[in-house]
Amino acid sequence: ILNVEQSPQSLHVQEGDSTNFTCSFPSSNFYALHWYRWETAKSPEALFVMTLNGDEKKKGRISATLNTKEGYSYLYIKGSQPEDSATYLCALPIPYNQGGKLIFGQGTELSVKP
Amino acid sequence: EAGVAQSPRYKIIEKRQSVAFWCNPISGHATLYWYQQILGQGPKLLIQFQNNGVVDDSQLPKDRFSAERLKGVDSTLKIQPAKLEDSAVYLCASSLAALMNTEAFFGQGTRLTVV
Repeated sequence: ILNVEQSPQSLHVQEGDSTNFTCSFPSSNFYALHWYRWETAKSPEALFVMTLNGDEKKKGRISATLNTKEGYSYLYIKGSQPEDSATYLCALPIPYNQGGKLIFGQGTELSVKP
Repeated sequence: EAGVAQSPRYKIIEKRQSVAFWCNPISGHATLYWYQQILGQGPKLLIQFQNNGVVDDSQLPKDRFSAERLKGVDSTLKIQPAKLEDSAVYLCASSLAALMNTEAFFGQGTRLTVV
């Protein structure tokens, strides 16, 4: 069974702080990694889909890196804003011939205070 | 394009009652998922459909949960009878293709409280 771990479970920062959190996963049989942002009362939305070791992706103030050999991905938020408050989920897909579903970590809940 | 639609948004029921949730995926998305997210945990897959066939329902508590996807489009998830531990957010998602290189699209979820 694929085990996806995220840390920390929650994070409280001040507006303007930069922050980062981690997603850890077994390095064997890696196919891809997804990051989703889930704001309260909204739908989870995809931030990044990453597939290659060493991949770095960026969307505005948010960026992510991927190390498939050691089994981790970091999500960075530069200059946090209150609107960044959300739960950040990472998930790994398993191949379609094994079901094709996403296996989620427990999420990191970020709260940014003005 | 329209997103994944779910209803209702919130539901409060007493234990042993029944409840049903509805999902309309993005048009053209063959794969539909129902996830259960209990507070403090990550979403867990309950059932996955490919068109109107079930791909994976290994974690669906079949003694009380049922789901169907008639005509390969809309889907309903039912709980009968509900237990206190069923209190959770139920998320519906759909995808166009296998999730190796493409994302899943989620609805806003239904927050169920069983009292």
